[in-house]
Amino acid sequence: GENVEQHPSTLSVQEGDSAVIKCTYSDSASNYFPWYKQELGKRPQLIIDIRSNVGEKKDQRIAVTLNKTAKHFSLHITETQPEDSAVYFCAATLYSGGGADGLTFGKGTHLIIQP
Amino acid sequence: DAMVIQNPRYQVTQFGKPVTLSCSQTLNHNVMYWYQQKSSQAPKLLFHYYDKDFNNEADTPDNFQSRRPNTSFCFLDIRSPGLGDAAMYLCATSRGTVNQPQHFGDGTRLSIL
Repeated sequence: GENVEQHPSTLSVQEGDSAVIKCTYSDSASNYFPWYKQELGKRPQLIIDIRSNVGEKKDQRIAVTLNKTAKHFSLHITETQPEDSAVYFCAATLYSGGGADGLTFGKGTHLIIQP
Repeated sequence: DAMVIQNPRYQVTQFGKPVTLSCSQTLNHNVMYWYQQKSSQAPKLLFHYYDKDFNNEADTPDNFQSRRPNTSFCFLDIRSPGLGDAAMYLCATSRGTVNQPQHFGDGTRLSIL
């Protein structure tokens, strides 16, 4: 089955600086890679996702890059703000014509934005 | 408006006493998933339904069962909860086709006395 490794487990950055979280996956067949933000006691919320036919995707201050050859993908947050503080999870799965397997999550990164 | 609704938000049960958690969706999605998330850990997939087809993860304990009586509703039954089953249980839905994300509910936090 799929295995997703995520680093670092904790990341502390100064407000306004950039944050980068990295993930690797094991199953070369995986073709969908979402990132979720989870605040304490709340649901995971999708912040950005990328499909295997795309190398990079941006949405305002958030970007994700994917290297299929190396089987790794990264989340980049620029101009960090206090409200970015949360736990971020990367995930991977295979979406095929016949259905959708569940997500395999990384262990999470606790992002702390220092004022 | 909440599109994936889980009830109750908090559930307390006794050791060994069966408990049922519920999930409903207004998105008309084909796929419904149940994840278990223990404190400070990542969500872990228990099983999912694609329409009426049930897909169990290999390492999901037999103690956990699920029912999906119709498109909108899905239930998680824990037949004999142990202390190790205390966790947040998250329901998610997706269309199940390429390029469609999963949407999560707020979860039910289960405590075992």
